[in-house]
This record gives sequence, C-alpha cells and structure tokens, in this order.
Amino acid sequence: QKEVEQDPGPLSVPEGAIVSLNCTYSNSAFQYFMWYRQYSRKGPELLMYTYSSGNKEDGRFTAQVDKSSKYISLFIRDSQPSDSATYLCAMSGRNYGQNFVFGPGTRLSVLP
Amino acid sequence: EADIYQTPRYLVIGTGKKITLECSQTMGHDKMYWYQQDPGMELHLIHYSYGVNSTEKGDLSSESTVSRIRTEHFPLTLESARPSHTSQYLCASSETGRGRITEAFFGQGTRLTVV
Repeated sequence: QKEVEQDPGPLSVPEGAIVSLNCTYSNSAFQYFMWYRQYSRKGPELLMYTYSSGNKEDGRFTAQVDKSSKYISLFIRDSQPSDSATYLCAMSGRNYGQNFVFGPGTRLSVLP
Repeated sequence: EADIYQTPRYLVIGTGKKITLECSQTMGHDKMYWYQQDPGMELHLIHYSYGVNSTEKGDLSSESTVSRIRTEHFPLTLESARPSHTSQYLCASSETGRGRITEAFFGQGTRLTVV
C-alpha cells in the first residue's frame, strides 16, 4: 500500500460544478498538508497549505483535513475551464529529515 | 509567486554529452530537491540537500549527481546523457527552520530530450 493514495482520474465536470478531490494516507505522523496544481509541461504550483485538522478557504478553493480518518480534500467551487489541470496532494511530518510525500495526482477537465 | 528558477526550460542533446541543469532560489531556503517526472506520471525524488555541502540520494535511483556549494544554487549534472534520461526535471525548495517544514515551492522545470 502506498503512503498516499489519490484517484488518478481523469475527472471531467461541466463549468460551474463543484469539484471534490481527495487523498487518503496511512502515516499518522503527517502534520502538514498541501495541494498543488500542475498544468501540462509546467512545474507544480502551490494552491493550499494547511496544518492539522480543519478547513481552510481561499477564494473558490477550500482545503479540508480530517486527521482522525487520514483523509484530505480540496473543493473547487464554480469551476472554470482554466481549472483544468492535474491536482497533486502532498504531505510531510515534523521530522526535519522527512521529505514530502506526493500523491500521483488527479487529472481534472472542466468543460465549457 | 515562488522565486525559484530553472534553466534551460527545454534541452535537446545528443547521447553521450555532459549536461548540467541549473536551479536557483532567492528565498533563502535551506532544503532543496530534484524530482523527475515523466509525462502524465508521478513525481519521483532523485536528490535532495539539507544545506551547503549536503547532498542525499532520493527514492528513485538516478545516474545524475548534484552539488550544493551555495545555499541558493543546486545544479544537477548528467556526465553522459542517454535516451533513458529523457524526462522532465523539477527543482524545489522549502524552509525547515523554526521546528517545522514549510511547503515546497517548485521551479517551472527543464524538459530534457536525449536523442
């Protein structure tokens, strides 16, 4: 079993839909959780960064962390064609020597 | 916007050539990383560094080498390029001070093609 699981998609939704992207993880030491957006042939761009359980909102994006269930989510409201990209979750622990663990990414297409 | 830069963005080179991919960041981050990513595939960590004069191998075995002589600079070198090295190479950095690890910031990547 991989440390971080993420449905690779592809996920296709109509413009204006609410999108839910999810990751599950197995390592209870993870404390920091990130969502990245990656357009084709570009580097990942940080969207959201959260610490511990709870919600964090930024514009149309909401990140949710449930550490008891080892489950994180990214919600995109009023999705736009420009949101079409691959979304990667990532996480790390407090250990200085620990590197980030990335999910494989979910490919999202928002259709006009 | 992240202040981490990679050059070149695209490189096509012949088999057997020596190449160096450049990565620089102006955020003063101590930890830096190199990832390899094939199109539509996962990120694989190939090298990382905790700071000056520190280099470590990542989870994916790679024939490349890295150096960290200055905090802001983390170049990756392939002594003899082969077609199997064709991939996208992504550099990233993060801060590890104050008892926590910050998020990773990525460069735009170098797309390498070895012919």
